[in-house]
Amino acid sequence: DGGITQSPKYLFRKEGQNVTLSCEQNLNHDAMYWYRQDPGQGLRLIYYSQIVNDFQKGDIAEGYSVSREKKESFPLTVTSAQKNPTAFYLCASSIRVYSNQPQHFGDGTRLSIL
Amino acid sequence: DQQVKQNSPSLSVQEGRISILNCDYTNSMFDYFLWYKKYPAEGPTFLISISSIKDKNEDGRFTVFLNKSAKHLSLHIVPSQPGDSAVYFCAASAEGAQKLVFGQGTRLTINP
Repeated sequence: DGGITQSPKYLFRKEGQNVTLSCEQNLNHDAMYWYRQDPGQGLRLIYYSQIVNDFQKGDIAEGYSVSREKKESFPLTVTSAQKNPTAFYLCASSIRVYSNQPQHFGDGTRLSIL
Repeated sequence: DQQVKQNSPSLSVQEGRISILNCDYTNSMFDYFLWYKKYPAEGPTFLISISSIKDKNEDGRFTVFLNKSAKHLSLHIVPSQPGDSAVYFCAASAEGAQKLVFGQGTRLTINP
């Protein structure tokens, strides 16, 4: 079945450590996105990518980095510069950006600080 | 600046009755609106969308209404079922924009 796979489901980070969250899609979508969800809040956009080798900052990009070397993959690195990384991270994809098409989401990764 | 607002954090409805979830927006450039449903520890699932050229879109038990003059949309679920218990997010985008803007979510509980 086509879909979006995020791994791991749970991740723990030590202070000062970088961690990378994986996101893979087999929907043949051009656009991919990373969101962060905090309790009682909506989803906030961290980064998005329209196409391979291209990505743009979202609303809360500080402390995060991404890469898009393959169409199927859009990993997110939470760096030590992100001072409040504990959150639920969601990856999404859509056929393309700038289109009235829904985004489809993975099941998320919950990141916690040890 | 919260451009999309869901003012009710929670809603409780009896099974079989109608559930009405509300969403307000402030950006008049928004022209595409969506509703997502989310269970705990899972990603949101797309439910239904509506373009600003319409005022109603229906899909089975789910109907979305758009009132552009009031900058308001609502999701109606009829009849409500126990499996509908989840958090519902509304989202909006503007033509040419690169992102969806999400509301804070409303937790819907369907009581037997």
